[in-house]
Amino acid sequence: GESVGLHLPTLSVQEGDNSIINCAYSNSASDYFIWYKQESGKGPQFIIDIRSNMDKRQGQRVTVLLNKTVKHLSLQIAATQPGDSAVYFCAENYNNAGNMLTFGGGTRLMVKP
Amino acid sequence: KAGVTQTPRYLIKTRGQQVTLSCSPISGHRSVSWYQQTPGQGLQFLFEYFSETQRNKGNFPGRFSGRQFSNSRSEMNVSTLELGDSALYLCASGEGGQETQYFGPGTRLLVL
Repeated sequence: GESVGLHLPTLSVQEGDNSIINCAYSNSASDYFIWYKQESGKGPQFIIDIRSNMDKRQGQRVTVLLNKTVKHLSLQIAATQPGDSAVYFCAENYNNAGNMLTFGGGTRLMVKP
Repeated sequence: KAGVTQTPRYLIKTRGQQVTLSCSPISGHRSVSWYQQTPGQGLQFLFEYFSETQRNKGNFPGRFSGRQFSNSRSEMNVSTLELGDSALYLCASGEGGQETQYFGPGTRLLVL
């Protein structure tokens, strides 16, 4: 993923709406992808992962879509709640790299009540 | 199972000093990775240890080092601290293969 430094892109949504957070990853050899949520003062929290042999995976209220052709990953959150407000990171890994993750710059999600 | 724990949670040091941070992985996890998080550079991989051996290393100077003990607990050390080392240092643990890594709460280091 590309780091965007200090200026985190921000997505502002109304409570109850669906949210879509996008991520462009950098390594075409990457075959494992994870989305993390990070709240202020806490470490990243695992949300959902997907391997490159899949293009969609669903969890509870979350769906991850993977488009390997354009090296793009998205996280969809259904019925967004105030507790979803956080910074979301995508991370990529390729099998020969052990557990080394390369992180994107993050997107701040703000949920308006 | 208890999550990943990191100690200390907060630390203030001065330039030139050294610091040691500790990480206890989730029980049964043999892989421990360290990351540095700053507003300017985001989350950057430092190194990974698996079965007491460094398996991967990121692009950081030699002042950053680590080790892993036989119980999978890991420590990282930063020598000759610089102002730019101020950051949140995160530890993540995993079972060892290519699978989910779980992060601890981090150690926030401030270098004055």
